[in-house]
Amino acid sequence: AQKVTQAQTEISVVEKEDVTLDCVYETRDTTYYLFWYKQPPSGELVFLIRRNSFDEQNEISGRYSWNFQKSTSSFNFTITASQVVDSAVYFCALSEAAGYSTLTFGKGTMLLVSP
Amino acid sequence: DAMVIQNPRYQVTQFGKPVTLSCSQTLNHNVMYWYQQKSSQAPKLLFHYYDKDFNNEADTPDNFQSRRPNTSFCFLDIRSPGLGDAAMYLCATSRDGDSAGNEQFFGPGTRLTVL
Repeated sequence: AQKVTQAQTEISVVEKEDVTLDCVYETRDTTYYLFWYKQPPSGELVFLIRRNSFDEQNEISGRYSWNFQKSTSSFNFTITASQVVDSAVYFCALSEAAGYSTLTFGKGTMLLVSP
Repeated sequence: DAMVIQNPRYQVTQFGKPVTLSCSQTLNHNVMYWYQQKSSQAPKLLFHYYDKDFNNEADTPDNFQSRRPNTSFCFLDIRSPGLGDAAMYLCATSRDGDSAGNEQFFGPGTRLTVL
C-alpha cells in the first residue's frame, strides 16, 4: 500500500525566511510519480511539480526548489525568501506510474508567512 | 482557457434534503474524480470515472452517488445529507495515457453546508 507522510502540521515563518516542507513516502512500486500541490485559502488545489521515480535531479523554479532522494524516500520542498502570498496548505502526493492511477495524499502542511 | 469548473461554489442544504453538485471540464480528459475534503484534512477520494466506467472507493458511503452523462460533465449526488457531510467537494480530471504521469487538474471546489 502507498503512504505519504507530512510530519509538519503547521509551520510559521516571517517573510523572507527560507522554509522547507518535508515529505516522506512509502511504495512497493519501482515506478511512481510524486507531486506537490498548493491549496490557498480559496480552496483550489494548484499543481506545483511532478517528479517521476527515475529522475532524481533536483529542480528549481524561481523561489521554489525540490529535493528528491530515493535513498530516504523523501521529496522535500523548499521556498526561498518566503512571501505572505506563499501562505497556504501544501500537499505532497504519490501515484503509480503505470497507466493512470489515483493519488495518495499526505495530510498537508499549513504554511503561515507573516509580514 | 481550458479548465475545470464547479458550480455552485457554495451550497447550503438542509439535513436530509438531496443535493447535487456539478463539475464540467473543457480539457477533454477521460478521467474525472470527486474528492471530499473536511477541514484541516487531505482530500479523500470518493470515486472516479474512467470514461463511462464508474469506480467507487470501498469506504465511500452509499449516500454518495455520481453520474457522468458525457465526457465534459460529472455530478455528485448526496441523497440524504447529514451534518457530517459538510465539507469541501473537489472535482478533478486527468488524461489516461498522458506520459507526464497522471497530473490531476482540480476545480475550485464547492463548499457544502448542511443545516
